[in-house]
Amino acid sequence: DAGVIQSPRHEVTEMGQEVTLRCKPISGHNSLFWYRQTMMRGLELLIYFNNNVPIDDSGMPEDRFSAKMPNASFSTLKIQPSEPRDSAVYFCASSLIGAVNTEAFFGQGTRLTVV
Amino acid sequence: GENVEQHPSTLSVQEGDSAVIKCTYSDSASNYFPWYKQELGKGPQLIIDIRSNVGEKKDQRIAVTLNKTAKHFSLHITETQPEDSAVYFCAASTTGGSYIPTFGRGTSLIVHP
Repeated sequence: DAGVIQSPRHEVTEMGQEVTLRCKPISGHNSLFWYRQTMMRGLELLIYFNNNVPIDDSGMPEDRFSAKMPNASFSTLKIQPSEPRDSAVYFCASSLIGAVNTEAFFGQGTRLTVV
Repeated sequence: GENVEQHPSTLSVQEGDSAVIKCTYSDSASNYFPWYKQELGKGPQLIIDIRSNVGEKKDQRIAVTLNKTAKHFSLHITETQPEDSAVYFCAASTTGGSYIPTFGRGTSLIVHP
C-alpha cells in the first residue's frame, strides 16, 4: 500500500478563496482523521470519521470548515472562505479501529498558505 | 476528554548521549500510548507504542515505559545519532469504542554531532 495520500502537497491561495484538501486513506482502514498543525497549537484534531460517518467534529474551528467522506477511499476538507489564520499544515491520518486498534498512519500533509 | 502534557518542548543533546521525553495523561481509561517521530516536511510516523498491560517495551535504541498509577509514560533514546533529530509526539487513546488519539505538543530533539 502507498500509505495515506494527500493532495496537494502545497497550496497558496488568496484570502476569500475556497480551498479543498484531499485525502485517500489506506485501503481497509475504517477510521479517518483530519489534523491541523501550527507552531502555536501543535497537532489539533479537526474531525474524525468512522466507517465514513463523522463521529466527532468538535475540533472544526468554525462554519468556514467542512469535511466529507463520500466513500471509504476518499475524504475532503474544505475551507470557504479562507483566511490568513488558516495557514497551517493539514494532515490526514487513517487507522483500523476494532478489537485491537492500529496506530494512526499519517499522510505527508498539505501546507496551506493563505495570503 | 483526554489531556496529554509533554515535556520538554525542546531537547538538545550531544551525539551518543541519551534523550528522555516525558508525557502525562489525564484519562485513566486510556490504554494505548503510541510515539511518533516527525521529520522535516513529513507526516508523523509511529516509532514505538505500548499498551497498558505492559510497563516497558524496547526496540533497539528506543524504549518506552508506562506508569499507569501515576498516569505517565516516557520515551528513552540511547546512543543518540544526528538522524534522531526530529519532533517527537506522544499520544494517548482508548482501544475500542470511540477511539481518538490525543497528542502531546511535541518535543523538538536536536542531536549535535
